[in-house]
Amino acid sequence: DTGVSQDPRHKITKRGQNVTFRCDPISEHNRLYWYRQTLGQGPEFLTYFQNEAQLEKSRLLSDRFSAERPKGSFSTLEIQRTEQGDSAMYLCASSLAPGGVVPSYEQYFGPGTRLTVT
Amino acid sequence: AQKITQTQPGMFVQEKEAVTLDCTYDTSDPSYGLFWYKQPSSGEMIFLIYQGSYDQQNATEGRYSLNFQKARKSANLVISASQLGDSAMYFCAMSRNTGNQFYFGTGTSLTVIP
Repeated sequence: DTGVSQDPRHKITKRGQNVTFRCDPISEHNRLYWYRQTLGQGPEFLTYFQNEAQLEKSRLLSDRFSAERPKGSFSTLEIQRTEQGDSAMYLCASSLAPGGVVPSYEQYFGPGTRLTVT
Repeated sequence: AQKITQTQPGMFVQEKEAVTLDCTYDTSDPSYGLFWYKQPSSGEMIFLIYQGSYDQQNATEGRYSLNFQKARKSANLVISASQLGDSAMYFCAMSRNTGNQFYFGTGTSLTVIP
């Protein structure tokens, strides 16, 4: 496993449709994060998982957003009833929580999924 | 509340010269981590360097060094011997003690001039 992968890389959808993105983290990483990045801004934290538990959610994450990591490996981020304001790059990152074999805070990012809502 | 501030929206540097990208942060946590990431035009975020709040020495990774001044709450990135491939957006970020949430600045766009 050479890195974090995300699928799809690009998604164009019509307003009101539901979309789902997938993230496959680095295999030995137990933490997985979702971020949203709009043009000219840094990534904004959305949520994170440690193993299969969703431990924190940003207030940015409205009830139209839901994320899962059912087996503590890959994760999905679903946006229901998309709005034009949801257009952004959605980034996934993974890391190894402190206390692991090689404790580290560094996050490794995937290539992102660019969502365009028309 | 945690906050990262990058006050330089754009910077230019001559190839082979050094450049400093500024970052200040605000936190009340006693323990935290500071990071720099590079984001080329292709979009991927590339981890460059990490500094823990209790680390006594400034972090270095090849041509990258982090000038950590805890009392001033600054964590500037120094890139030595700039290369054309260094042209990219650079983001400063901070994690809370347990690394459960990361806060990013708005970034600095670096252009290396041949």
